[in-house]
Amino acid sequence: QKEVEQNSGPLSVPEGAIASLNCTYSDRGSQSFFWYRQYSGKSPELIMSIYSNGDKEDGRFTAQLNKASQYVSLLIRDSQPSDSATYLCAVRDDKIIFGKGTRLHILP
Amino acid sequence: EAGVAQSPRYKIIEKRQSVAFWCNPISGHATLYWYQQILGQGPKLLIQFQNNGVVDDSQLPKDRFSAERLKGVDSTLKIQPAKLEDSAVYLCASSLDRPLRFMNTEAFFGQGTRLTVV
Repeated sequence: QKEVEQNSGPLSVPEGAIASLNCTYSDRGSQSFFWYRQYSGKSPELIMSIYSNGDKEDGRFTAQLNKASQYVSLLIRDSQPSDSATYLCAVRDDKIIFGKGTRLHILP
Repeated sequence: EAGVAQSPRYKIIEKRQSVAFWCNPISGHATLYWYQQILGQGPKLLIQFQNNGVVDDSQLPKDRFSAERLKGVDSTLKIQPAKLEDSAVYLCASSLDRPLRFMNTEAFFGQGTRLTVV
């Protein structure tokens, strides 16, 4: 059974600080990796995708991938209260599997 | 570009009744997914279609759930009979069929249908 593991949190981070979210996955054949943000009562929204080892930056967000360690992370710089949400890690080979999500709370 | 359309947004039914959900994916997206999301958990894949063929339905409770995508575009998911534990949000998503070098493989979600079974 392919699995994606995340710490469920909640992770509390002061406004303006860096939030660090982590994810591990079991299937070494996975080729695509995603971070989705989900606000309460809303559907998941894609915020980052990463396909090769290393870092990928988009605005305040940086995704990091280490295939040898089967590890994906998301850094959010200059955290804002609007970043408070659940962050879902997802991994794809032939299908897209989601982790349970990490609840992030940005403290004003 | 229009997003993934789902209906209805909300549904309340009694246990043992039947219910159906509808999804229309993004135009040009051959792959369609149905996920079940129980409160506090991540989305769980129920079934994945590529065009009108089933790619994966290993976690679909086939004694009560069924899904079809007859013309390779829109899809319906049915539950009959419903149980209390089926209360969840049912999310439809779609993605491109033939991504270039594993790029553009992400799934885009509809607004979901919140099902309450009482």
